[in-house]
Amino acid sequence: TQLLEQSPQFLSIQEGENLTVYCNSSSVFSSLQWYRQEPGEGPVLLVTVVTGGEVKKLKRLTFQFGDARKDSSLHITAAQPGDTGLYLCAGARRGSTLGRLYFGRGTQLTVWP
Amino acid sequence: GAGVSQTPSNKVTEKGKYVELRCDPISGHTALYWYRQSLGQGPEFLIYFQGTGAADDSGLPNDRFFAVRPEGSVSTLKIQRTERGDSAVYLCASRPGLAVNTGELFFGEGSRLTVL
Repeated sequence: TQLLEQSPQFLSIQEGENLTVYCNSSSVFSSLQWYRQEPGEGPVLLVTVVTGGEVKKLKRLTFQFGDARKDSSLHITAAQPGDTGLYLCAGARRGSTLGRLYFGRGTQLTVWP
Repeated sequence: GAGVSQTPSNKVTEKGKYVELRCDPISGHTALYWYRQSLGQGPEFLIYFQGTGAADDSGLPNDRFFAVRPEGSVSTLKIQRTERGDSAVYLCASRPGLAVNTGELFFGEGSRLTVL
């Protein structure tokens, strides 16, 4: 059973469109991270959010942590083909081993030119 | 090297065989993790080393899996009597020690294990 549920699992859009990926759980997390993974490579950290209600922006990417620290979203504005990849959310639970993350299944994003 | 290095990048073995997967973390990183990523899934925690000792091995699925880090740097994940269900990408990650904790894990490219 996945502690973090991501949706959608697959997303195929045209260049220039906006999109939102969701990461939901019934559990509370002390922090939540978003990673991007390309084929044949390991995940690369995009952002860490730690405060309920926190919003972080990274160029065209906007990350939000839910008020109750149980969910998060990633919004991409004006998607580009270079945004193609697997987006993974990962949560850290209070009291868990430092660096022990619970990952969602990921959202495979394809942006067509 | 600059990043986390894992070897081999690909390993094909037969059911019942023994395999070893190696991880060379970023120089100076005292924390090392092994994760397993099955097809269509996110990475799943296996084991965590702080220095030479396994501080948390609760993610190892059974006693066929074992990992060592004898000198606090390179780690080896060992799988005995491999089964087809062990087929996955095994990811290694490292992080600076407790005093420097940005929460970021630095992952290697993984070792893809296929058990026939």
